[in-house]
Amino acid sequence: AAGVIQSPRHLIKEKRETATLKCYPIPRHDTVYWYQQGPGQDPQFLISFYEKMQSDKGSIPDRFSAQQFSDYHSELNMSSLELGDSALYFCASSFGDPTYEQYFGPGTRLTVT
Amino acid sequence: KNEVEQSPQNLTAQEGEFITINCSYSVGISALHWLQQHPGGGIVSLFMLSSGKKKHGRLIATINIQEKHSSLHITASHPRDSAVYICAVTLGSNYKLTFGKGTLLTVNP
Repeated sequence: AAGVIQSPRHLIKEKRETATLKCYPIPRHDTVYWYQQGPGQDPQFLISFYEKMQSDKGSIPDRFSAQQFSDYHSELNMSSLELGDSALYFCASSFGDPTYEQYFGPGTRLTVT
Repeated sequence: KNEVEQSPQNLTAQEGEFITINCSYSVGISALHWLQQHPGGGIVSLFMLSSGKKKHGRLIATINIQEKHSSLHITASHPRDSAVYICAVTLGSNYKLTFGKGTLLTVNP
């Protein structure tokens, strides 16, 4: 069965650079969530989209922006990168209602040097 | 106080032992999730519960809504079960997951 796809899997950037992370949800899933997991930390919710509209927002810095496109894939844009942005970024997808199960992608490991 | 509390934080077991990981939450939820994460790896969803009990292979998850408590049981544990097990909840009509701190399980041969 198709799973959530994230690209790239690994990304190395320098401070003050920009990064774009992509997430392709499971077919027919209309909701995408972004989570950030710092080293040794539990995942923290960043932002979510339902039917291409932002549905919830967590502790996402103003330097980050995200959107969901017409094919339901989502992109997380990160500008003016800081060392503290180094983390594993997970995307998850589900079908609609929050009581539906979230399926996680493999994550993108971002390293800022 | 965290909205989701897990215990224990670390658990070491011998192969074949029965394992229980507990999760308590302090607010009303729409669903509770048990997730598995291997070191440096991705997250796999094991169960999603809103009531009762679910079983998949050697894994069993239960939830008591009145007591705001859930347990994850692993029967006949195996070294390949070694991972971090995370309890997470969706709160009310929010879509996001709120995570517990995780339980690091090590199963020795």
